[in-house]
Amino acid sequence: GDSVTQMEGPVTLSEEAFLTINCTYTATGYPSLFWYVQYPGEGLQLLLKATKADDKGSNKGFEATYRKETTSFHLEKGSVQVSDSAVYFCALVNFNKFYFGSGTKLNVKP
Amino acid sequence: DADVTQTPRNRITKTGKRIMLECSQTKGHDRMYWYRQDPGLGLRLIYYSFDVKDINKGEISDGYSVSRQAQAKFSLSLESAIPNQTALYFCATSDDPLYGYTFGSGTRLTVV
Repeated sequence: GDSVTQMEGPVTLSEEAFLTINCTYTATGYPSLFWYVQYPGEGLQLLLKATKADDKGSNKGFEATYRKETTSFHLEKGSVQVSDSAVYFCALVNFNKFYFGSGTKLNVKP
Repeated sequence: DADVTQTPRNRITKTGKRIMLECSQTKGHDRMYWYRQDPGLGLRLIYYSFDVKDINKGEISDGYSVSRQAQAKFSLSLESAIPNQTALYFCATSDDPLYGYTFGSGTRLTVV
């Protein structure tokens, strides 16, 4: 069945460091891919999405490219801030069903 | 007001008690969902509804039931709570999944 695998955390970085959170997926057909962010004590918020191969989603300095050849959708940011500390979830939707990864906690230290 | 409102935000209940978690949305979407979040397991789908007359089980529906009272309201019930139902519960809504979900802020449930 369809599934999403993302790197385990926590990931701890210093402010202004480069961030990569890996996400790979298994799916039949042509899924859409998402990154959600969950700040402490809050629900999940859509961060960015891509609906077809080679699309790049971007928002708030984060970006991810839908790579069908490697079945990946890695999240990147060039310079993280303390305010980016949160849990990040990779997800896909296929045939009207959502599948979430297990989440990666990011800690950014000043 | 939030697009998706969940009540209560926090609840502690005893084993064997019946409890209802409520969700209402102002997005006007037909599709509503209940998820459970456990550390290291991500989100798991409990139930979902594509309209008022359409209710479907998710991957972990045992021990739970739902009621879709109106387009805007979708309640989750635990008929007889047990400790391994301690978790963070999220309600979500969508118009078309291709555009993503809108989530509520969650209900933290503790069963003692």
